[in-house]
Amino acid sequence: DTEVTQTPKHLVMGMTNKKSLKCEQHMGHRAMYWYKQKAKKPPELMFVYSYEKLSINESVPSRFSPECPNSSLLNLHLHALQPEDSALYLCASSHSQGNEQFFGPGTRLTVL
Amino acid sequence: EDQVTQSPEALRLQEGESSSLNCSYTVSGLRGLFWYRQDPGKGPEFLFTLYSAGEEKEKERLKATLTKKESFLHITAPKPEDSATYLCAVRRMDSSYKLIFGSGTRLLVRP
Repeated sequence: DTEVTQTPKHLVMGMTNKKSLKCEQHMGHRAMYWYKQKAKKPPELMFVYSYEKLSINESVPSRFSPECPNSSLLNLHLHALQPEDSALYLCASSHSQGNEQFFGPGTRLTVL
Repeated sequence: EDQVTQSPEALRLQEGESSSLNCSYTVSGLRGLFWYRQDPGKGPEFLFTLYSAGEEKEKERLKATLTKKESFLHITAPKPEDSATYLCAVRRMDSSYKLIFGSGTRLLVRP
C-alpha cells in the first residue's frame, strides 16, 4: 500500500460545529503532516508529527487541534472555524522528516 | 531570505510541443529539491527528488535537472493528460521538516 487516504472528501460546517478530518497511511512512515491550501496557492504547513509526537506547530490558531492516535493515523479536530478557514486540507507522510512527502487527496472544507 | 520562484506562471502548449518549466531558488544550504504535480482539487503527486547540482531524473515524458541556482522540468512531446499545476519545493539543510514551495506553473496542453 503506497497511498495516503483522507476522509471525508468534502465537508461543509457551520461556525459553531465541531468536526474532524482523518488521515491514514500504511507505508510505515513515521512523520505525518497537515497542510492547508487555498485556491491557486501552494500548500502551507500547519503541523508536523514525528514518531507520534507533535514536532512542529506553525502558529496555527487553537480552533485547529491535531491528534496522532498511532503511527498510521492522524486527525485534525475543528471547532469554531471562520469562513476564511475554507480550503483544501492536505495530509502527507514521509519516512522521516527529511525525505520526500507523499500527499493524500485532501478534504475540501467549506465553513458557512 | 529563502525563496522559490517558478516561471512561467502559466504555459499553454500544443500536444507534442516540448518545453521547460523553471524553478529558481535561494536557500542557505540545499538539502533537497522536490517536484510535484497537482491536478485541480487533488493532493500533490510526488514526481522527483534532486539533491545535488548536475543530478537528473526522468519519468516518462518528464525530466528534471538541477544546478546550484535552479531546476528545470523538461516536458518532451506533452499530451493533454500532462495538463496540471507543477510545484517545486526545497528543503533547507538545517530544516528537516519544512518544504518551501514555489507558486507553481499551470500547464495546459491542447490536443
